[in-house]
Formats: sequence, C-alpha cells, structure tokens
Amino acid sequence: DAKTTQPNSMESNEEEPVHLPCNHSTISGTDYIHWYRQLPSQGPEYVIHGLTSNVNNRMASLAIAEDRKSSTLILHRATLRDAAVYYCILRETAGSNYKLTFGKGTLLTVNP
Amino acid sequence: DTEVTQTPKHLVMGMTNKKSLKCEQHMGHRAMYWYKQKAKKPPELMFVYSYEKLSINESVPSRFSPECPNSSLLNLHLHALQPEDSALYLCASSQEGGLSTEAFFGQGTRLTVV
Repeated sequence: DAKTTQPNSMESNEEEPVHLPCNHSTISGTDYIHWYRQLPSQGPEYVIHGLTSNVNNRMASLAIAEDRKSSTLILHRATLRDAAVYYCILRETAGSNYKLTFGKGTLLTVNP
Repeated sequence: DTEVTQTPKHLVMGMTNKKSLKCEQHMGHRAMYWYKQKAKKPPELMFVYSYEKLSINESVPSRFSPECPNSSLLNLHLHALQPEDSALYLCASSQEGGLSTEAFFGQGTRLTVV
C-alpha cells in the first residue's frame, strides 16, 4: 500500500488559516490524493481530493507539489467545528478495485 | 440522499452470541466497504464489495462474515467474537469505477464484546 506521513498533531487559533501537510513520496502516477476528516464520535467525512492541480471547494483547498510527493490541506479560516483528525490518503488501485487506506492522521486542535 | 445508515448504533454481545451489523445506502453506489476502528487509531479496511461481489478481504478472521444481499445493503455477521474485537465498525460506499470518487461513511456501530 502507498504510504502517507503526517504530523501527529497541530494546533490553530479560531479564524486563522491552517496548513496541514502530508508527505507521500512513493505516490504513483495514477494515485489520487484524498483528504478526509473525522470529528469526535463520528464517521470519516470527505473533504477534498486532487491528482495534479490545486483544488478548491467550499470546505478547503488542496495544494499539490509539482512532483506530487507532498500536498497541503488548507483551511482558510479555522472554526471550533474544524477540530478533528485529518487523514491524507492515497486512493489506489488493487487489481480492479479501489482501496482507501487510512494513515495515522493529524489531530487538529482549534483554540478559541 | 447522501447518507449511509448503520444499525444498530451500539451493540453489546457475549462471546458465544451471533449478531449482525447492517448498513444501507440509496445513492446507487456499487462499491461498499467495512472498516474496523479501535480507539485513537485510524480505520482499518476489512472488506470491499464491488457490484455485490466480495472483491477485497484484508485477511479478516472467519468469525467476521460479510454479506451483500443487494446493491443497497451490506451486512456483517458476527460469531464467536473475542473481547479484542470490541471496536467501532464503519461502513462506507462509493461509486465504482474511479480513483477520483469520494467515499461516504456511516456513523458506525460501536461494538462491545463481553
């Protein structure tokens, strides 16, 4: 399985931007970079995904390095509701199937 | 409807019991997944179903038996579990056929084996 490396934890202040890094040096050309988050006592929730170009949606932005060996999830203005574990995942093929394998994730704490 | 519904939300079972976890989605997704999550750990993939056929089994013990009776339902049958099997069991679904598709997760069933 392709691997991702994330900091165990990060802290931010409310209404400030947050940059969550992820390294994926073994990424292959067809692997998509996905981000999910898991709020306390809930199932994981999709945040954003991308292949090569930077991506924006209503929740966040995803900045992908030119060599694709790293990416950064950007929350433009953190709120207390953004406190969660954020997972950077490489969605990869396994034969004819598609796996979503979670790494350890980053626990984001947002201070009021 | 972008919801994956799991029942029950909580389950306590003895080691000799047989129980089933249920998962339902009505998004027309043809890929469905079971994950197991221990406290303070990431979800671990157990099974993947694709078009109602088991396509990935991540070496899960036979006391866990998945079933996909139709395209909307996914079951996980439990038998002779051990206390270390206590965990949050998550179901997910996604459209088949693409690495760019997102997965939708249910809220999970919190299982306690006594």
